[in-house]
Amino acid sequence: EVQLVESGGGLVQPGGSLRLSCAASGFTFSSYWMSWVRQAPGKGLEWVANIKQDGSEKYYVDSVKGRFTISRDNAKNSLYLQMNSLRAEDTAVYYCARADWLDIVAMVFWGQGTLVTVSS
Amino acid sequence: DIQMTQSPSSLSASVGDRVTITCRASQSISTSLNWYQQKPGKAPKLLIYAASSLQSGVPSRFSGSGSGTDFTLTISSLQPEDFATYYCQQSYSTLGTFGQGTKLEIK
Repeated sequence: EVQLVESGGGLVQPGGSLRLSCAASGFTFSSYWMSWVRQAPGKGLEWVANIKQDGSEKYYVDSVKGRFTISRDNAKNSLYLQMNSLRAEDTAVYYCARADWLDIVAMVFWGQGTLVTVSS
Repeated sequence: DIQMTQSPSSLSASVGDRVTITCRASQSISTSLNWYQQKPGKAPKLLIYAASSLQSGVPSRFSGSGSGTDFTLTISSLQPEDFATYYCQQSYSTLGTFGQGTKLEIK
């Protein structure tokens, strides 16, 4: 059974940092692109970042470029999101998701999400 | 960046109704379009991929159509468990943008 379990969320002050983790199991982690998607309270979904299977390609939404870094450790079956210079508008539930190829890229498997709150 | 616009933003309907949600892309995305369902406090669930392909395990009352810039999600006969928020998402570009969502409520 595919499982994605996020951790690392919490309350942080503006300008602070936080590192999210996503532990993957039930599939060959190193074979899949992985993504972070976030959802601000009461708002819609926003695709935040992608990383290729070997970590050689990474993509970010403009609003987090230069502040967030996506990474992975295939030996530990883990995905990470290092978030620096956090702003109030980064407050959201952060989901990790596996990017599957189904004729096109789609996210079939998601974690349960971890809440990040940026507030003083 | 490719912008995705859904309409309506909210919709009231009754059990048994046929409902249609539309999604428009700011440029042609061929059939690189997915639909997700999200219930409160839960992660999104993939319903339709590549504009019209039904994800495994999803009831056949859900269907999708469209190509280029205009897409639709149709639920042929609403069931109580279908009241949720629906999102389209393009996979044409590397960072796939989502529509703003359509909240489907019980009339």
